[in-house]
Amino acid sequence: EIVLTQSPGTLSLSPGERATLSCRASQGVRSSYLAWYQQKPGQAPRLLIYGASSRATGIPDRFSGSGSGTDFTLTISRLEPEDFAVYYCQQYGSSPYTFGQGTKLEIK
Amino acid sequence: QVQLVESGGGVVQPGRSLRLSCTASGFTFTTYGMHWVRQAPGKGLEWVAVIWYDGSNKYYAESVQGRFTISRDNSHNTLYLQMSSLRAEDTAVYYCAREKNGIWSPFDIWGQGTMVTVSS
Repeated sequence: EIVLTQSPGTLSLSPGERATLSCRASQGVRSSYLAWYQQKPGQAPRLLIYGASSRATGIPDRFSGSGSGTDFTLTISRLEPEDFAVYYCQQYGSSPYTFGQGTKLEIK
Repeated sequence: QVQLVESGGGVVQPGRSLRLSCTASGFTFTTYGMHWVRQAPGKGLEWVAVIWYDGSNKYYAESVQGRFTISRDNSHNTLYLQMSSLRAEDTAVYYCAREKNGIWSPFDIWGQGTMVTVSS
């Protein structure tokens, strides 16, 4: 099983700032099958990034993903008020599919 | 529009069974693999099970292997999760989710979730 470790656990930033979230895998993620999801309270997760760096339909270009192998990053270039939420990474290249424990992005 | 709607959640005693349903609309259900993902209160996401588009293959998380069964009825655009021998640690919101495009793809459509509480 591939274990995904996200850091930091909580990130406190202000609107307009840049956010950098990390996801580290316990072994290489096949073909960069790594996704990022956003979840707001009381809502289902929403797909943001897949294939490590491709934006899902309708996702603003302030969201970007990078990385390969075992180290991946989600960057939000300029935070908007609606971006404050919990973010999860997920690997979908091998079973069992696994999620990271999440990073909470909160308003400073 | 493309939509998944879960149902069947509720309060159940430990050791009992429950079946969840997920009804799909707005897309060709028969061409998509489908998953169940759960989230315990205040916790993160945990993948539970996957079933291929034609039902030919199923995989489970170790935590539910042998107790939960995923299935689908393509004639009724419905996904199921039969849960048996339920434990307190199975308490969670259960989401169904669609694979974006084929095997080994991310989950692009999610239902709103159905809450399962296992308690005496």
